[in-house]
Order: sequence, then C-alpha cells, then structure tokens
Amino acid sequence: DAGVIQSPRHEVTEMGQEVTLRCKPISGHDYLFWYRQTMMRGLELLIYFNNNVPIDDSGMPEDRFSAKMPNASFSTLKIQPSEPRDSAVYFCASSPQRIDYGYTFGSGTRLTVV
Amino acid sequence: EDKVVQSPLSLVVHEGDTVTLNCSYEVTNFRSLLWYKQEKKAPTFLFMLTSSGIEKKSGRLSSILDKKELFSILNITATQTGDSAIYLCAVEGYRTGANNLFFGTGTRLTVIP
Repeated sequence: DAGVIQSPRHEVTEMGQEVTLRCKPISGHDYLFWYRQTMMRGLELLIYFNNNVPIDDSGMPEDRFSAKMPNASFSTLKIQPSEPRDSAVYFCASSPQRIDYGYTFGSGTRLTVV
Repeated sequence: EDKVVQSPLSLVVHEGDTVTLNCSYEVTNFRSLLWYKQEKKAPTFLFMLTSSGIEKKSGRLSSILDKKELFSILNITATQTGDSAIYLCAVEGYRTGANNLFFGTGTRLTVIP
C-alpha cells in the first residue's frame, strides 16, 4: 500500500496565481481530510469528505479556497487567488469508516506564496 | 469554542531522561483523544484513547486519559535522540452530522545526546 499520496511536494508561486494541490487517499478509505499546518496555528482542519461528499467545510478560511473530490481516489484543494499568508504545509489524510486506527497522513505539500 | 491545548510548547532534554507531555481539551461531545508524532513530514499515529484511566503502552511510550479533568499525558521514558519530534494531541468531537478532529499546536521535543 503506497499510503496517502500528495502532489506536488513543494510549490512556490507568486501572489495572485492559482494553486492546485492534489491528493490520492488510501484505497477503501471512506474519509478524506485536508489540513493546513503553520507554526502559529498548528494543524487546522480545512474540510473533510465522506464517500466523496463534503461534510464539513467550516475550516476553509475564505472563498479563495475550494476543494473537490470527484471520485473515491482523488481530491484537489485549490486556492485562487493565492496570497502570502496562505504559505503553509497542506496535509491530506484519509481514514476508514471511523478513525479507530488513526488517520493516515500524506507527506504534505509545502506551499510558498511570494 | 472547541480547543486543545498542549504544554509545554517546547522541551529540551538529555538522552535517558523521562518526559511528560500534557494535553488538555474542551471539545463538544468527546469521542476520543489521539497522539501523533511528527518528525520531518507527516504525523504518524501513536495512540488512541477513549476510556479514562486505562494506560496504553508502546515500548518506551505510554499515555493515559482523564475524561473527568479533560486531559491526557504522554510519557516517554529513557529518551533517545530519535524521539526528537513534534508531538501532536488531537481530540475527536462530534457535532450534529459531523465528526471533527481538533489538534493542539504540538510540543516540540528535542533530545540531546
């Protein structure tokens, strides 16, 4: 099992550009989560999906952020337009029906907006 | 407001020392508390605790939950340099129609040879 796969690993972009982060969850996991990690705020949940349906997006900071999960094996997090304060590490995680064994995290995408 | 508070924020110890990391929480409809270890990349799962007073152990690591006082501790005995990491505490709560996992900002542990 390859685990949760995120791409790209690093992204440097200019302010105002569109950024798309990608995630492939573990096959068979019903839940997919997008997190953002910063030094100041720690790990924050942005949005999560259950069976491809967004359940809670209350953590999405503003309308510039959007997430989709068109099928069980792929999700995207898009920021348009990007701003320097969006610079962070973005993690995707997946879990089976419940988190009895903990979430499995991807390696993250380090986003730098200059 | 749901929140998870970890202390200390950072800790520097020498190899062989024993450390205790703290996590207190206020979460709506508590379901479970989880500990993660984060080194350079993604957090890796350590423990999940759901019941008070039952210690979970894995090698030199152990953890216990107090649901009355709303806190958990993570103990590491005979620390090694490989234990250097950020230790994250997360609490699963439940609101209408949605599960949620709240993370603390972590404790950064540095173990000096």
